[in-house]
Amino acid sequence: SQQGEEDPQALSIQEGENATMNCSYKTSINNLQWYRQNSGRGLVHLILIRSNEREKHSGRLRVTLDTSKKSSSLLITASRAADTASYFCATDPNQAGTALIFGKGTTLSVSS
Amino acid sequence: DAMVIQNPRYQVTQFGKPVTLSCSQTLNHNVMYWYQQKSSQAPKLLFHYYDKDFNNEADTPDNFQSRRPNTSFCFLDIRSPGLGDAAMYLCATSDQGLHGYTFGSGTRLTVV
Repeated sequence: SQQGEEDPQALSIQEGENATMNCSYKTSINNLQWYRQNSGRGLVHLILIRSNEREKHSGRLRVTLDTSKKSSSLLITASRAADTASYFCATDPNQAGTALIFGKGTTLSVSS
Repeated sequence: DAMVIQNPRYQVTQFGKPVTLSCSQTLNHNVMYWYQQKSSQAPKLLFHYYDKDFNNEADTPDNFQSRRPNTSFCFLDIRSPGLGDAAMYLCATSDQGLHGYTFGSGTRLTVV
């Protein structure tokens, strides 16, 4: 069953601008993760935020998590053309023996 | 470099002709996953292995089988591929730590 829903589905920005993507989910989680997928390739893990964390940074990435609203956001600052990709949030359910559940993703296009 | 390798990158098979996709890892991760991703959709979990323990998702069709002969290798068998099985198949591994999943580059399956 699908857990995460990303918003917006597609986002087009200019180089240097910031990109914000949002994710909502339905059930309790251990952690939430963000992945990037270049066209026709596998997914690359970007960042993981645990359920007891509210914000996390990694380079130009900033992730927030609000467990009361069951939502997360991914901010990419000073975007580059190379950031063009699809971005997926994935939730790690608070349930033994389960695996990550992915949302539909946000397609980001950064033009130079 | 430690990695997850999927072969082949592209596979064309005939309708109804059995096909096997392979995945190998050098990470020595105990968990391996198979996801199916159709165009512009979220990756959907088919099954996963925790060591040799097989976990099948409830809605994974019986047409899909998997084998994990050892820690390093995992296979996805599609017994009678239909046109609806055309998709990208993604293999991933995890040590269940807080590092996220490591994905292979995927195998794009075409059914003709």
